Amino acid sequence: QSALTQPPSASGSPGQSVTISCTGTSSDVGGYNYVSWYQQYPGKAPKLMIYEVSKRPSGVPDRFSGSKSGNTASLTVSGLQAEDEADYYCHSYTGSYNNFYVFGTGTKVTVL
Amino acid sequence: EVQLVESGGDLVQPGGSLRLSCAASGFTFGTYWMSWVRQAPGKGLEWVANIKEDESERNYADSVRGRFTIFRDNAKNSLYLQMNSLRVEDTAKYYCAREGVRAARDVWGQGTTVTVSS
Repeated sequence: QSALTQPPSASGSPGQSVTISCTGTSSDVGGYNYVSWYQQYPGKAPKLMIYEVSKRPSGVPDRFSGSKSGNTASLTVSGLQAEDEADYYCHSYTGSYNNFYVFGTGTKVTVL
Repeated sequence: EVQLVESGGDLVQPGGSLRLSCAASGFTFGTYWMSWVRQAPGKGLEWVANIKEDESERNYADSVRGRFTIFRDNAKNSLYLQMNSLRVEDTAKYYCAREGVRAARDVWGQGTTVTVSS
């Protein structure tokens, strides 16, 4: 099971929006609503930002939203703030004995 | 406060063994699936293994199956990862994570570092 494909980088100015894609297959992203997104600052542990494709855990700003179309999931950060500069990883269940779960390759978001 | 604290990371030679521990607090540990996730230096996240609440189901990534064993002690609120036949490519920071709804990992520890080198 290969890692889900994300763009290496994305950027935007404060107040703008940025969307990160996460492309998989019908065996992972497209097959289940088990897509989640994580934010990670350098040297820190990941933090859950979105689960079940589009749900936000308590405490996550509503500037963060998730969606899915076919085999591609997306994370949109609206109204970019300096504190949003971080790495973002998508994640999906695969149901495959070889690897039940797979993460994305990661996207570095830069706030210009 | 909900918290996970990993320990046990160390420098070990190729072929060696190591046991990682994860102490949980602030929630009912025995009612959650738990996972290990690792991150090699400068690389992305990789799921390693997970275990059901009652240990009746354990799953492993291909890269570690047959070498690593995940287990837990609900009485001690602790999760473990026994790592045998370690390889250079197992070098990473290892995170313990709680699995919430739809396998979303909603609580993470700070990680413990494993370095496999001669």
